[in-house]
Amino acid sequence: SQQGEEDPQALSIQEGENATMNCSYKTSINNLQWYRQNSGRGLVHLILIRSNEREKHSGRLRVTLDTSKKSSSLLITASRAADTASYFCATSYDKIIFGKGTRLHILP
Amino acid sequence: DAGVIQSPRHEVTEMGQEVTLRCKPISGHDYLFWYRQTMMRGLELLIYFNNNVPIDDSGMPEDRFSAKMPNASFSTLKIQPSEPRDSAVYFCASSPPGRGYGYTFGSGTRLTVV
Repeated sequence: SQQGEEDPQALSIQEGENATMNCSYKTSINNLQWYRQNSGRGLVHLILIRSNEREKHSGRLRVTLDTSKKSSSLLITASRAADTASYFCATSYDKIIFGKGTRLHILP
Repeated sequence: DAGVIQSPRHEVTEMGQEVTLRCKPISGHDYLFWYRQTMMRGLELLIYFNNNVPIDDSGMPEDRFSAKMPNASFSTLKIQPSEPRDSAVYFCASSPPGRGYGYTFGSGTRLTVV
């Protein structure tokens, strides 16, 4: 399956710490995307990294992609309470397939 | 732009009834996607359209599900007859022409079939 798989399934950290989530996938991709979903809401696109890119930044977000290992990581630096949400990686070839997500909880 | 607009936000219906979910994509986006989200199965792609034409409906669970896109600004997902196992949150998303763009999701329709 093309579906990405996030790890860990759940993560709790103290506010101000960095949060790292990983994603593994099985097939070739054109790009990999990360999304955030707050409880009861739709998904929000965070960042897209193309298959020929290795690292990308957006504000406090840093995404890496290793196509040889078929894996990606999302790093959120200096976490805030508002970062509490589920985070999904989505792999794209002809269509986007989502993983099951990582539930991130930022403790005050 | 108002984003992707879905209606209704919540729908409660009795088993056997017909349910119609609606979606208005962002103007200028030529891809439209219907996803279903449950705790057990996560986010499942049901069907997607490009320029109003269904491209891949392999995720549609069974014949009880149908989707249409009569024009660039409107799509429907219909379930007839509905069953309790159809209870889920249904999301519509759209994206611009070409590849390499993220999706914009609507707020979803929470469907409960009793």
